[in-house]
Amino acid sequence: AQSVTQLGSHVSVSEGALVLLRCNYSSSVPPYLFWYVQYPNQGLQLLLKYTTGATLVKGINGFEAEFKKSETSFHLTKPSAHMSDAAEYFCAIVKGNRDDKIIFGKGTRLHILP
Amino acid sequence: DADVTQTPRNRITKTGKRIMLECSQTKGHDRMYWYRQDPGLGLQLIYYSFDVKDINKGEISDGYSVSRQAQAKFSLSLESAIPNQTALYFCATSDRQGTTDTQYFGPGTRLTVL
Repeated sequence: AQSVTQLGSHVSVSEGALVLLRCNYSSSVPPYLFWYVQYPNQGLQLLLKYTTGATLVKGINGFEAEFKKSETSFHLTKPSAHMSDAAEYFCAIVKGNRDDKIIFGKGTRLHILP
Repeated sequence: DADVTQTPRNRITKTGKRIMLECSQTKGHDRMYWYRQDPGLGLQLIYYSFDVKDINKGEISDGYSVSRQAQAKFSLSLESAIPNQTALYFCATSDRQGTTDTQYFGPGTRLTVL
């Protein structure tokens, strides 16, 4: 069965600093991988996704993630944090199968320090 | 107007009461989901439906039931609410046409069981 593990339930970075949120996955078949973001008092929304092709994926708000098969990782980065990036971020996985459902990690709350 | 709506947005109820949370979508998606979110636990899947006649249990279906009244409507019921069902509940939709399974979330229902 596939799974995702997010390292760190809370991450704090200074405004303007690099954001790095870690996600490792386990899957017996090539997976599709996602990052979702949840702003306070809102539902989740898609930040970016990897299906096939280019391993560096760009998303909204300056975020990007790189699929590294050899490391079974899909870490989320942003070069320069902004106060508006404060939110909870979820990594998710689904097998490349039309009948499989998505599985979410436990989430990482990103705090931006002024 | 929002593509995925949930009613009510907030609900306080007492132990033993039956309550229903409703979800409607205008995205035309076949797949609908109910999740529960608890701090530190991420999202847990309660039930999912791939079409009107297909309903499946998720990870934590005990104590819950669902009804898919139409393609656009998917309701979640707590037959006899208990305090540990206090949580944030999200409805989501997805469309597996093509190669991905991006999920679209409603704004959530905050349920408190006293």
